[in-house]
Amino acid sequence: GDSVTQTEGPVTVSESESLIINCTYSATSIAYPNLFWYVRYPGEGLQLLLKVITAGQKGSSRGFEATYNKETTSFHLQKASVQESDSAVYYCALGAQGTGSKLSFGKGAKLTVSP
Amino acid sequence: NSKVIQTPRYLVKGQGQKAKMRCIPEKGHPVVFWYQQNKNNEFKFLINFQNQEVLQQIDMTEKRFSAECPSNSPCSLEIQSSEAGDSALYLCASSRTVSNERLFFGHGTKLSVL
Repeated sequence: GDSVTQTEGPVTVSESESLIINCTYSATSIAYPNLFWYVRYPGEGLQLLLKVITAGQKGSSRGFEATYNKETTSFHLQKASVQESDSAVYYCALGAQGTGSKLSFGKGAKLTVSP
Repeated sequence: NSKVIQTPRYLVKGQGQKAKMRCIPEKGHPVVFWYQQNKNNEFKFLINFQNQEVLQQIDMTEKRFSAECPSNSPCSLEIQSSEAGDSALYLCASSRTVSNERLFFGHGTKLSVL
């Protein structure tokens, strides 16, 4: 089946340092998977951080970036300089295009940014 | 703050009891999903709807769960006879269009089956 493997938390980084959270995927039933990063901030519901639907393209939001690499089946999340407010749980996910397509999620990486 | 409203936030049931949770999707979102997130943080897709119609559901949902999204009423997910393994966070999400995979999630209902 379709699956996502990602860095699993906890991940601790000091403020202003760089961050990378790894994500690789396996899409056996989806010809052209869409890739997502979702984030859950403390006390809030899961929300979309960024998505990329075309291989080779990069998505970005709130200083985070991720490039859809079809060759290495990866979608790593990166940020050059993290802030304390980035502390959250980050989930990589994949899904197919189309009507009501379900998503396959990774297990999440809990990021703690220390001041 | 999430505009997908899930109630209750916490639910405690004994084995064999029914467990029912509700979800009000974001206004104007015709597509609703239910996911189960277990204590190992693994997500399991349960069922999704477009308006009142079921689009997809897994075998477990078909057998032990009942779910509906009636018009002008909250969506609901009910476990007919709770088992210890059903203890998990149940997440409801909605989507604006049928082809839009951007999901808006509620805070979830945390079910504990004793």
